[in-house]
Amino acid sequence: GQNIDQPTEMTATEGAIVQINCTYQTSGFNGLFWYQQHAGEAPTFLSYNVLDGLEEKGRFSSFLSRSKGYSYLLLKELQMKDSASYLCAVKSGAGSYQLTFGKGTKLSVIP
Amino acid sequence: GAVVSQHPSRVICKSGTSVKIECRSLDFQATTMFWYRQFPKQSLMLMATSNEGSKATYEQGVEKDKFLINHASLTLSTLTVTSAHPEDSSFYICSASLGLAGALETQYFGPGTRLLVL
Repeated sequence: GQNIDQPTEMTATEGAIVQINCTYQTSGFNGLFWYQQHAGEAPTFLSYNVLDGLEEKGRFSSFLSRSKGYSYLLLKELQMKDSASYLCAVKSGAGSYQLTFGKGTKLSVIP
Repeated sequence: GAVVSQHPSRVICKSGTSVKIECRSLDFQATTMFWYRQFPKQSLMLMATSNEGSKATYEQGVEKDKFLINHASLTLSTLTVTSAHPEDSSFYICSASLGLAGALETQYFGPGTRLLVL
């Protein structure tokens, strides 16, 4: 089966750095995605990892360790608008476009 | 970037009626479209995968006769919730995939449709 775990909620201070972890156990692996979802809106794509290591994109970075079934999303210089849910999703089959989503981590940024 | 639209954005209907939701890829041809359902404070649950010109593949536990999916063209897929009941009230989101070869392939999400069945 497919299992993706993320913390349910996190709180961080404006201007700080926060790391959101994701662990997965899936029957296959062909990439891990991070999405941001504001309340009542559809998810928007943040990052994609298929090889081990860190991918940096502005204030957002994502890390992957395939041997550990582990990823994290790092958000720097937090802004109030970063308050949202962050979804970890795994594409498990080569040639398959299906994604399995974790339950999401609700991040609250406080002044 | 790729844009996906959904219509309507919000719908309220009476129990027993049918509701159709449209999903369109506006600036690209989507070989594959996906339909998700999201209940409050829950993650996206894949309902079905739809390929243009063929029958949709439904996930386990999703009733194909209740949730009718039609993917008649490369830019349009529709989800019809038949004989809707209050427990069908949810946030329905579609996504579209370019269907390109290679590992870097993301899904582009529509803005979602909030369905409330009274």
